Amino acid sequence: KAGVTQTPRYLIKTRGQQVTLSCSPISGHRSVSWYQQTPGQGLQFLFEYFSETQRNKGNFPGRFSGRQFSNSRSEMNVSTLELGDSALYLCASSSQEGSTEAFFGQGTRLTVV
Amino acid sequence: AQSVTQLDSQVPVFEEAPVELRCNYSSSVSVYLFWYVQYPNQGLQLLLKYLSGSTLVESINGFEAEFNKSQTSFHLRKPSVHISDTAEYFCAVSKMDSSYKLIFGSGTRLLVRP
Repeated sequence: KAGVTQTPRYLIKTRGQQVTLSCSPISGHRSVSWYQQTPGQGLQFLFEYFSETQRNKGNFPGRFSGRQFSNSRSEMNVSTLELGDSALYLCASSSQEGSTEAFFGQGTRLTVV
Repeated sequence: AQSVTQLDSQVPVFEEAPVELRCNYSSSVSVYLFWYVQYPNQGLQLLLKYLSGSTLVESINGFEAEFNKSQTSFHLRKPSVHISDTAEYFCAVSKMDSSYKLIFGSGTRLLVRP
């Protein structure tokens, strides 16, 4: 089975722009979660989607949004980018409701200049 | 709410020496416990997890962790480390419900020296 695929791997954007990151979960997995990793704040939960519904949301401003499609692929969008949004964004998928193991992608490194 | 504390930001150790990475958690409800490892420019890989049952859990590459409910700890140990174990290690918890939200500690960088 292919692992979790995140695209693109690297991205450079300018302050004020918006960005969309993509995540393709492992085939058959219905839950997709997103995390932001920064040196200062560590790993922080953004949101989780299960069967196209947002099931959990972390403490991030409304500029951060996401969605999940019927094939379980997920996108997250950040609008009006700020320098502090520079981070590694990680996506994780798990197989089913109540599953206890998440499989992570390699992440998208976003740099805001 | 849940929180995870990893007191050591970096642990230097010589190859073939034993190591312990400490993890303490706080939660008002029962949680699952995890250790993840992250190599440079990579995502996270699950090292081991505690769900229930035996309080000592082991991974295939020689790591083990022991759940101590009274001390709310889940320390990670390895009796003899290799250079290839150099990485960042994250302890995490999640609530025992159907959602999938991991709360991570700040991470411990294990630096194995020859």
